[in-house]
Amino acid sequence: AAGVIQSPRHLIKEKRETATLKCYPIPRHDTVYWYQQGPGQDPQFLISFYEKMQSDKGSIPDRFSAQQFSDYHSELNMSSLELGDSALYFCASSLGGSSGATDTQYFGPGTRLTVL
Amino acid sequence: GQQLNQSPQSMFIQEGEDVSMNCTSSSIFNTWLWYKQDPGEGPVLLIALYKAGELTSNGRLTAQFGITRKDSFLNISASIPSDVGIYFCAGATDSWGKFQFGAGTQVVVTP
Repeated sequence: AAGVIQSPRHLIKEKRETATLKCYPIPRHDTVYWYQQGPGQDPQFLISFYEKMQSDKGSIPDRFSAQQFSDYHSELNMSSLELGDSALYFCASSLGGSSGATDTQYFGPGTRLTVL
Repeated sequence: GQQLNQSPQSMFIQEGEDVSMNCTSSSIFNTWLWYKQDPGEGPVLLIALYKAGELTSNGRLTAQFGITRKDSFLNISASIPSDVGIYFCAGATDSWGKFQFGAGTQVVVTP
């Protein structure tokens, strides 16, 4: 079965540079979530989108922005990168539905961002 | 801040033994999910629970949604070396699926 696709899998940037992470949800899934996971930490929710609209916001820095496109893929844009942004970034997708029910999230393999 | 308490933090067990871990919350959850994560990889969904009291199995895995809706446990029976990894619980209280994660339980299986 098709899974969540994330690209790139690895990214190395320098401080103050920008980065764009991409996420392609499971086909027919309309909801996308972004998480940040530091070493030895649990995933921290950043932001989510349902039907191309932001549905919830977590601990996402103002330097980061994200959007969901008409084909439901999502991009996380990160500017003015800092050393502390080095982490695994996961995208998850679910089938939200019009009822807004809490739906099971399936995670992608992640993008490992290293900021030097 | 994190409202989920997951325990134990780590477990060192021998192959063939059973494993049990649990998560408790200060909030009532509508959904509990259990994931397994290998180093550098994304969490893989093991079991999803949607109703209080629900008991669900997936092979050697069994998980239950507590009656109070504030806790859940995961059992692994007859552990094997490939069970090694970090197990996370995740719970959601609202309708938009913003899950909170537990801190994880690291499982190490020795032959």
